[in-house]
Amino acid sequence: DVVMTQTPVSLSVSLGGQTSISCRSSQSLVHSDGNTYLYWYLQKPGQSPQLLIYKVSNRFSGVPDRFSGSGSGTDFTLKISRVEPEDLGVYYCYQGTHYPPWTFGGGTKLELK
Amino acid sequence: VQLVESGGGLVQPGKSLKLSCSASGFTFSSYGMHWIRQAPGKGLDWVAYISSSSGTVYADAVKGRFTISRDNAKNTLYLQLNSLKSEDTAIYYCARGYAYWGQGVMVTVSS
Repeated sequence: DVVMTQTPVSLSVSLGGQTSISCRSSQSLVHSDGNTYLYWYLQKPGQSPQLLIYKVSNRFSGVPDRFSGSGSGTDFTLKISRVEPEDLGVYYCYQGTHYPPWTFGGGTKLELK
Repeated sequence: VQLVESGGGLVQPGKSLKLSCSASGFTFSSYGMHWIRQAPGKGLDWVAYISSSSGTVYADAVKGRFTISRDNAKNTLYLQLNSLKSEDTAIYYCARGYAYWGQGVMVTVSS
């Protein structure tokens, strides 16, 4: 099984500031079809997870350009710039290259400083 | 796209429960579907997947106890939970691919 390791576990940020979250996989997420199936989600309190980024760096419909994803192979990063109050919650990375099982990172909680 | 789960509740260890996920806004029969769960205060765990052709796969933790199925005529996804354990206590989400999730349904296993 692919193990997804997110760091840090929690993060404090000031409104308007910038921050980043790291996600590492235990094996390369490059699929034989050439795509890398790495996703980022935000789960706000009391809500279901919402997709932010798909296939490493593509913003999902309606996601502001303050969110950006990058990385390759086993190392991936989600950057959030100009942090707003609605960005607070828990962020998860998720891999869909090697399955079953599909696997999530442990989550990163973003809080206000 | 709308996904609405139902069927959750409080159940005793060793008993059974059947969850439903009603789908609308897309051609249900054309898509694979997942069940994903989240224990209280914990992270997300993938549970099961059913393809558009009804092939199924399960997480090791639920294999042999849970059964995922679908009724394309009713646009509904199911998860039959048997031999429930306290560690199965979680919010259960259905999801279409990676982008669309339901609001979740709570399952509590306790005596």
